[in-house]
Amino acid sequence: RKEVEQDPGPFNVPEGATVAFNCTYSNSASQSFFWYRQDCRKEPKLLMSVYSSGNEDGRFTAQLNRASQYISLLIRDSKLSDSATYLCVAGDTGGFKTIFGAGTRLFVKA
Amino acid sequence: DVKVTQSSRYLVKRTGEKVFLECVQDMDHENMFWYRQDPGLGLRLIYFSYDVKMKEKGDIPEGYSVSREKKERFSLILESASTNQTSMYLCASSLDLNGYTFGSGTRLTVV
Repeated sequence: RKEVEQDPGPFNVPEGATVAFNCTYSNSASQSFFWYRQDCRKEPKLLMSVYSSGNEDGRFTAQLNRASQYISLLIRDSKLSDSATYLCVAGDTGGFKTIFGAGTRLFVKA
Repeated sequence: DVKVTQSSRYLVKRTGEKVFLECVQDMDHENMFWYRQDPGLGLRLIYFSYDVKMKEKGDIPEGYSVSREKKERFSLILESASTNQTSMYLCASSLDLNGYTFGSGTRLTVV
């Protein structure tokens, strides 16, 4: 079983749609959580941290459920520019050994 | 913005060669990392360093070594390249472990 599991997709959605990605992690000791986006042939870039209370950054909302070991990312009003692969990340207590999921691919179409 | 620079974008090496991948960051970060990324497997941690001359093994250190002689530079060394080390290699830097900044990657092909 992978330590961080994501649905690989692809998710194909029209512009303006709301789309949600889910991710589960196996290490109950994980302390830090993130979402990164990775464009084709580019490096991952930090999208947002994920906090227990949930957090929002514009059209993006991240949620963490520690009891279920589950992380989610909601994108509202999808734009063409949101097309990318979204990587879910869980970090250990020290923060050095972060585990990346394999990513969920999103295509937003006009 | 932090800049993380990897010396080569594409590299082709022969089996058995010693390969050096260089990474430089310009923001005085203590923490640096080397990952490899393969389709369907995500990013996997090879080595990390939290200070000059300090290094720790990640999840897949076999066949690799690292060097951190200066704070801004973290080098990944493939002692004897093999075809199963063909991959995208990504270097990252972090100030406080609250998110990483990645370099643009080196796509290494071992033939």
